[in-house]
Amino acid sequence: DAGITQSPRHKVTETGTPVTLRCHQTENHRYMYWYRQDPGHGLRLIHYSYGVKDTDKGEVSDGYSVSRSKTEDFLLTLESATSSQTSVYFCAISDGGGYTFGSGTRLTVV
Amino acid sequence: QKEVEQNSGPLSVPEGAIASLNCTYSDRGSQSFFWYRQYSGKSPELIMFIYSNGDKEDGRFTAQLNKASQYVSLLIRDSQPSDSATYLCAAQDSNYQLIWGAGTKLIIKP
Repeated sequence: DAGITQSPRHKVTETGTPVTLRCHQTENHRYMYWYRQDPGHGLRLIHYSYGVKDTDKGEVSDGYSVSRSKTEDFLLTLESATSSQTSVYFCAISDGGGYTFGSGTRLTVV
Repeated sequence: QKEVEQNSGPLSVPEGAIASLNCTYSDRGSQSFFWYRQYSGKSPELIMFIYSNGDKEDGRFTAQLNKASQYVSLLIRDSQPSDSATYLCAAQDSNYQLIWGAGTKLIIKP
């Protein structure tokens, strides 16, 4: 197994509530990424990290924040969920080469 | 703006034939290129990567790179129904980030 897990796998939440998605790796890779994938849009980068406490915004970062306090964990938080954030969220890890993806989190905001 | 372009398809290929998937990229500074396969409802998985001009073969898969034309392709020989999936092309930029195409949906008809 690639050593990357996402939790939860599925979540339904109400509009306006905060939501945190977790990505955990056992590979000790430096880089971690959060993507969302929607029909017709492909993979869109939300935020990424290049080390502990080092993060940066991607192309669709509005409404999202991240934290990386340990090498192995990268958290994605939706501060106040909206219906437009209903999506499949993928975490990915990299040591500078290709990415390895987690299994994804399907988030529904109602 | 760094871009990776793919025909969205669907590309329909008879079983046993060669499937040819194509991709162009805009950033001449890109050095490494990746092909991922994504089954419906699953996460992307790495098939091949290539960084030298020419061909790279791995089993039934051949990746081709032409940096002068900024063109990458993936050939799948003896196509099987299990090859039916969406294929994502990605170019790595100078910050080690992958720039993603939107994917080509491939359908192998028995």
